[in-house]
Amino acid sequence: QVQLQESGPGLVKPSQTLSLTCTVSGGSISSGDYYWSWIRQPPGKGLEWIGYIYYSGSTYYNPSLKSRVTISVDTSKNQFSLKLSSVTAADTAVYYCASARFGEGEPIDYWGQGTLVTVSS
Amino acid sequence: EIVLTQSPATLSLSPGERATLSCRASQSVSSYLAWYQQKPGQAPRLLIYDASNRATGIPARFSGSGSGTDFTLTISSLEPEDFAVYYCQQRSNWPPGLTFGPGTKVDIK
Repeated sequence: QVQLQESGPGLVKPSQTLSLTCTVSGGSISSGDYYWSWIRQPPGKGLEWIGYIYYSGSTYYNPSLKSRVTISVDTSKNQFSLKLSSVTAADTAVYYCASARFGEGEPIDYWGQGTLVTVSS
Repeated sequence: EIVLTQSPATLSLSPGERATLSCRASQSVSSYLAWYQQKPGQAPRLLIYDASNRATGIPARFSGSGSGTDFTLTISSLEPEDFAVYYCQQRSNWPPGLTFGPGTKVDIK
């Protein structure tokens, strides 16, 4: 059973870069079975897909965030990471890392517990 | 870009009642639609994938149906633990990526 755990600062100042890492256990990030994903949820609101990466390094981003997002993978550490630049208060959210099943449909089988990131000075 | 619409926004029911949740796509997504349950303070949990396949460990009272643009999640008899928010999700080819619906909250009447 794949398990995911987010880590990173819980508070980021406006205009700075939000950086989070997801550590995968119980499976190899290089297995090819999943797109490794970031999803966020502002307080009291719905889910927003940020983007995902395949183990090969191919990335796909939400067009609304694409200019500010970078997702990378470190197969040696079984981790993948999110960087979101030029953050504002609107980026305050619970950030989830997750695994979207490779292939048609891409349902998300596994989720991290989520980490709240607050953007505030 | 495919947009998902869920209805109703809130569904107020009693335990033991049947819940019917709707998800509509702005264009055909074939059968590639998933449903998730989210309880307060928890990550979402996959219930249904490919429109009608229950995920591992999901009780039989949860069922999904539909194809093309119209999909339904049915909970045959609500248990106390089923009161939660439910999201649908699809995957698009262009632009590539995932989209979620706005959610339906099932609360206790």
